[in-house]
Amino acid sequence: AQSVTQLDSQVPVFEEAPVELRCNYSSSVSVYLFWYVQYPNQGLQLLLKYLSGSTLVKGINGFEAEFNKSQTSFHLRKPSVHISDTAEYFCAVTLGGFKTIFGAGTRLFVKA
Amino acid sequence: DGGITQSPKYLFRKEGQNVTLSCEQNLNHDAMYWYRQDPGQGLRLIYYSQIVNDFQKGDIAEGYSVSREKKESFPLTVTSAQKNPTAFYLCASTTKQGSGELFFGEGSRLTVL
Repeated sequence: AQSVTQLDSQVPVFEEAPVELRCNYSSSVSVYLFWYVQYPNQGLQLLLKYLSGSTLVKGINGFEAEFNKSQTSFHLRKPSVHISDTAEYFCAVTLGGFKTIFGAGTRLFVKA
Repeated sequence: DGGITQSPKYLFRKEGQNVTLSCEQNLNHDAMYWYRQDPGQGLRLIYYSQIVNDFQKGDIAEGYSVSREKKESFPLTVTSAQKNPTAFYLCASTTKQGSGELFFGEGSRLTVL
């Protein structure tokens, strides 16, 4: 069975510091990988996605993620966070284009 | 602008009442989804539809019902059989030819009093 594990439920970090949000997945078939961001009381929006090709993908707002097939990981990184990055981040995998499995989410809290 | 519109954004219901959440999209997407979000549990799939007049149960369909009479619309009814309906509900859509990237509405927060 496929699953997505986000290893940290909450990540506090100071403004301008780097951050890494960790995501591991389990799947016996090829998947597409996504990171979504959710601001309070809003829907989710796409940060970035990995479909194929280069394992380092860049997204919006200065975020990037690296696909590591051997470790089945897709960690999200940003070299310098802003207060406005405070939000919940979801890692997700999509199987065959129609079914998406989400991780439980990581709440990023950026402190001044 | 194309997008997904959910209404109402906030809804209060008394126990024993059914309530219907609206979801409309003008993205010409084939597939539509309903998710339920509870703190610390991520998103759980309630129902999804890949084509008009057809839909499938997701992981937590009990106490919910849907219809897909038009490509643009996928309403969700939370029935009185749903034991713990207080939650944040998210509607999403995607195109059949794509990678599965989901486009989300702004969500509807249902509170049962």
